[in-house]
Amino acid sequence: AQKVTQAQTEISVVEKEDVTLDCVYETRDTTYYLFWYKQPPSGELVFLIRRNSFDEQNEISGRYSWNFQKSTSSFNFTITASQVVDSAVYFCALSEAEGSYIPTFGRGTSLIVHP
Amino acid sequence: DGGITQSPKYLFRKEGQNVTLSCEQNLNHDAMYWYRQDPGQGLRLIYYSQIVNDFQKGDIAEGYSVSREKKESFPLTVTSAQKNPTAFYLCASSIIQGGNEQFFGPGTRLTVL
Repeated sequence: AQKVTQAQTEISVVEKEDVTLDCVYETRDTTYYLFWYKQPPSGELVFLIRRNSFDEQNEISGRYSWNFQKSTSSFNFTITASQVVDSAVYFCALSEAEGSYIPTFGRGTSLIVHP
Repeated sequence: DGGITQSPKYLFRKEGQNVTLSCEQNLNHDAMYWYRQDPGQGLRLIYYSQIVNDFQKGDIAEGYSVSREKKESFPLTVTSAQKNPTAFYLCASSIIQGGNEQFFGPGTRLTVL
Protein backbone atom coordinates (compact mmCIF):
# COMPACT_ATOMS: atom_id res chain seq x y z
CA ALA A 1 0.00 0.00 0.00
CA GLN A 2 1.12 3.51 -0.74
CA LYS A 3 1.50 6.13 1.94
CA VAL A 4 2.52 9.77 1.94
CA THR A 5 3.44 11.54 5.16
CA GLN A 6 3.65 15.28 5.57
CA ALA A 7 4.59 15.57 9.21
CA GLN A 8 4.45 19.36 9.32
CA THR A 9 0.84 20.38 9.82
CA GLU A 10 1.50 24.11 9.82
CA ILE A 11 4.56 26.28 9.26
CA SER A 12 4.70 29.97 9.99
CA VAL A 13 7.51 32.16 8.63
CA VAL A 14 8.23 35.80 8.05
CA GLU A 15 8.55 37.08 4.51
CA LYS A 16 11.96 36.51 2.88
CA GLU A 17 12.73 33.49 5.03
CA ASP A 18 13.51 30.19 3.33
CA VAL A 19 11.20 27.32 4.17
CA THR A 20 11.29 23.57 3.47
CA LEU A 21 8.20 21.40 3.34
CA ASP A 22 8.87 17.73 4.03
CA CYS A 23 7.35 14.76 2.24
CA VAL A 24 8.13 11.13 3.03
CA TYR A 25 6.56 8.30 1.07
CA GLU A 26 6.17 4.54 1.16
CA THR A 27 5.62 2.28 -1.83
CA ARG A 28 6.52 -1.22 -2.94
CA ASP A 29 6.68 -0.19 -6.56
CA THR A 30 9.97 0.44 -8.30
CA THR A 31 8.34 2.80 -10.76
CA TYR A 32 6.23 5.61 -9.41
CA TYR A 33 5.57 9.33 -9.62
CA LEU A 34 5.68 12.05 -7.00
CA PHE A 35 3.81 15.34 -7.17
CA TRP A 36 3.45 18.62 -5.34
CA TYR A 37 0.27 20.70 -5.48
CA LYS A 38 -0.51 24.12 -4.05
CA GLN A 39 -3.93 25.01 -2.64
CA PRO A 40 -4.28 28.79 -2.15
CA PRO A 41 -7.11 30.22 -0.03
CA SER A 42 -9.38 30.18 -3.09
CA GLY A 43 -9.49 26.38 -2.77
CA GLU A 44 -8.43 25.09 -6.18
CA LEU A 45 -5.39 22.80 -6.18
CA VAL A 46 -2.70 23.79 -8.64
CA PHE A 47 -0.12 21.34 -9.95
CA LEU A 48 3.49 22.39 -9.26
CA ILE A 49 5.76 19.52 -10.22
CA ARG A 50 5.98 15.84 -11.11
CA ARG A 51 9.03 13.63 -10.64
CA ASN A 52 9.37 9.99 -11.69
CA SER A 53 11.23 7.47 -9.60
CA PHE A 54 14.11 7.15 -12.04
CA ASP A 55 14.96 10.81 -12.05
CA GLU A 56 16.65 11.93 -8.86
CA GLN A 57 17.89 15.20 -10.23
CA ASN A 58 16.91 18.15 -8.14
CA GLU A 59 14.81 20.74 -9.86
CA ILE A 60 14.68 24.48 -9.50
CA SER A 61 11.98 26.77 -10.79
CA GLY A 62 12.46 30.35 -9.75
CA ARG A 63 12.19 30.48 -5.95
CA TYR A 64 10.98 26.88 -5.79
CA SER A 65 13.24 23.85 -5.59
CA TRP A 66 12.65 20.17 -5.02
CA ASN A 67 14.97 17.58 -3.53
CA PHE A 68 14.16 13.96 -4.37
CA GLN A 69 16.12 11.30 -2.46
CA LYS A 70 15.17 7.67 -3.01
CA SER A 71 17.55 6.54 -0.26
CA THR A 72 15.40 8.29 2.33
CA SER A 73 12.08 8.08 0.40
CA SER A 74 11.72 11.82 0.55
CA PHE A 75 10.64 14.52 -1.88
CA ASN A 76 11.09 17.82 -0.10
CA PHE A 77 10.04 21.23 -1.37
CA THR A 78 11.93 24.43 -0.58
CA ILE A 79 10.72 27.97 -1.12
CA THR A 80 13.51 30.52 -1.11
CA ALA A 81 12.85 34.08 0.03
CA SER A 82 9.20 33.35 0.82
CA GLN A 83 6.50 35.85 -0.05
CA VAL A 84 3.01 36.44 1.33
CA VAL A 85 1.57 35.01 -1.90
CA ASP A 86 3.18 31.68 -1.02
CA SER A 87 0.70 31.28 1.83
CA ALA A 88 -1.27 28.15 0.99
CA VAL A 89 -1.71 24.49 1.79
CA TYR A 90 0.80 22.33 -0.03
CA PHE A 91 0.12 18.69 -0.82
CA CYS A 92 2.55 15.96 -1.74
CA ALA A 93 1.17 12.97 -3.69
CA LEU A 94 2.35 9.60 -5.01
CA SER A 95 1.01 7.46 -7.83
CA GLU A 96 2.03 4.19 -9.40
CA ALA A 97 3.27 4.13 -12.96
CA GLU A 98 1.15 1.09 -13.81
CA GLY A 99 -1.94 -0.52 -12.42
CA SER A 100 -4.01 1.84 -10.34
CA TYR A 101 -2.87 5.32 -11.23
CA ILE A 102 -4.97 6.93 -8.53
CA PRO A 103 -2.71 9.19 -6.47
CA THR A 104 -2.33 9.00 -2.72
CA PHE A 105 -2.18 12.42 -1.09
CA GLY A 106 -0.50 13.49 2.10
CA ARG A 107 -2.51 15.48 4.63
CA GLY A 108 -0.98 18.73 3.51
CA THR A 109 1.17 21.40 5.13
CA SER A 110 -0.31 24.83 5.74
CA LEU A 111 2.27 27.53 5.09
CA ILE A 112 1.64 30.99 6.49
CA VAL A 113 3.98 33.75 5.39
CA HIS A 114 3.74 36.90 7.48
CA PRO A 115 4.67 40.29 6.00
CA ASP B 1 -10.32 28.34 -21.74
CA GLY B 2 -10.00 24.69 -20.82
CA GLY B 3 -10.71 23.69 -17.28
CA ILE B 4 -13.05 22.29 -14.68
CA THR B 5 -16.08 24.07 -13.32
CA GLN B 6 -17.92 23.24 -10.14
CA SER B 7 -21.14 24.76 -9.05
CA PRO B 8 -22.25 26.16 -6.79
CA LYS B 9 -19.28 27.45 -4.78
CA TYR B 10 -21.29 27.49 -1.56
CA LEU B 11 -24.24 25.26 -0.81
CA PHE B 12 -26.48 25.09 2.22
CA ARG B 13 -28.92 22.28 2.85
CA LYS B 14 -31.10 21.06 5.65
CA GLU B 15 -30.27 17.80 7.32
CA GLY B 16 -31.93 14.83 5.62
CA GLN B 17 -31.99 16.35 2.15
CA ASN B 18 -30.11 14.96 -0.81
CA VAL B 19 -27.98 17.46 -2.69
CA THR B 20 -26.17 17.22 -6.04
CA LEU B 21 -22.86 18.91 -6.75
CA SER B 22 -22.02 19.69 -10.34
CA CYS B 23 -18.67 19.06 -12.06
CA GLU B 24 -17.99 19.75 -15.73
CA GLN B 25 -14.71 19.59 -17.66
CA ASN B 26 -13.76 20.57 -21.20
CA LEU B 27 -10.26 19.10 -21.14
CA ASN B 28 -11.32 15.93 -22.95
CA HIS B 29 -10.04 13.87 -20.02
CA ASP B 30 -11.28 10.33 -19.63
CA ALA B 31 -10.82 10.15 -15.86
CA MET B 32 -12.75 12.19 -13.33
CA TYR B 33 -12.63 12.14 -9.54
CA TRP B 34 -14.43 13.43 -6.46
CA TYR B 35 -12.55 14.23 -3.27
CA ARG B 36 -13.68 15.35 0.14
CA GLN B 37 -11.47 17.68 2.17
CA ASP B 38 -11.85 18.21 5.89
CA PRO B 39 -9.49 20.31 8.03
CA GLY B 40 -6.32 18.35 8.74
CA GLN B 41 -7.51 15.34 6.75
CA GLY B 42 -6.03 16.01 3.36
CA LEU B 43 -7.91 14.76 0.30
CA ARG B 44 -9.99 11.62 0.55
CA LEU B 45 -11.24 9.93 -2.61
CA ILE B 46 -15.01 9.41 -2.82
CA TYR B 47 -15.54 8.07 -6.36
CA TYR B 48 -13.71 8.03 -9.65
CA SER B 49 -14.61 7.23 -13.22
CA GLN B 50 -12.42 6.23 -16.14
CA ILE B 51 -15.07 5.96 -18.82
CA VAL B 52 -18.64 6.96 -19.49
CA ASN B 53 -21.24 4.86 -17.66
CA ASP B 54 -18.65 3.33 -15.35
CA PHE B 55 -17.34 4.45 -11.97
CA GLN B 56 -15.55 2.99 -8.97
CA LYS B 57 -15.81 3.58 -5.23
CA GLY B 58 -13.00 5.33 -3.49
CA ASP B 59 -12.06 5.24 0.17
CA ILE B 60 -15.15 6.96 1.55
CA ALA B 61 -18.02 6.22 -0.86
CA GLU B 62 -20.69 5.47 1.74
CA GLY B 63 -23.50 8.02 1.63
CA TYR B 64 -22.54 9.30 -1.82
CA SER B 65 -23.58 8.44 -5.37
CA VAL B 66 -22.34 9.50 -8.80
CA SER B 67 -23.19 9.17 -12.46
CA ARG B 68 -21.16 9.51 -15.65
CA GLU B 69 -23.58 9.82 -18.53
CA LYS B 70 -21.32 12.15 -20.48
CA LYS B 71 -17.56 12.36 -20.71
CA GLU B 72 -17.65 15.99 -19.64
CA SER B 73 -19.85 15.62 -16.58
CA PHE B 74 -19.48 13.80 -13.26
CA PRO B 75 -22.10 14.96 -10.73
CA LEU B 76 -21.92 13.89 -7.10
CA THR B 77 -25.01 13.38 -4.96
CA VAL B 78 -24.62 13.64 -1.21
CA THR B 79 -27.44 11.56 0.19
CA SER B 80 -29.16 11.71 3.55
CA ALA B 81 -27.26 8.54 4.46
CA GLN B 82 -24.01 10.51 4.69
CA LYS B 83 -23.69 11.10 8.41
CA ASN B 84 -21.39 14.11 8.32
CA PRO B 85 -21.72 15.79 4.94
CA THR B 86 -20.44 19.26 5.83
CA ALA B 87 -17.12 19.56 4.00
CA PHE B 88 -15.26 21.00 1.03
CA TYR B 89 -15.72 18.92 -2.14
CA LEU B 90 -13.22 18.95 -4.98
CA CYS B 91 -13.65 17.53 -8.46
CA ALA B 92 -10.65 16.65 -10.62
CA SER B 93 -9.87 15.15 -14.00
CA SER B 94 -6.86 13.63 -15.70
CA ILE B 95 -5.60 11.57 -18.58
CA ILE B 96 -5.65 7.86 -17.78
CA GLN B 97 -1.98 7.16 -17.49
CA GLY B 98 0.34 6.80 -14.59
CA GLY B 99 2.26 9.92 -13.86
CA ASN B 100 -0.21 12.42 -15.22
CA GLU B 101 -1.21 15.26 -12.99
CA GLN B 102 -4.77 15.97 -11.99
CA PHE B 103 -6.58 19.18 -12.81
CA PHE B 104 -8.87 20.45 -10.09
CA GLY B 105 -12.01 22.54 -10.01
CA PRO B 106 -12.52 25.44 -7.56
CA GLY B 107 -14.50 23.27 -5.14
CA THR B 108 -17.92 23.41 -3.49
CA ARG B 109 -18.30 24.08 0.20
CA LEU B 110 -21.32 22.22 1.48
CA THR B 111 -22.85 23.11 4.81
CA VAL B 112 -25.65 21.03 6.23
CA LEU B 113 -27.73 22.88 8.78
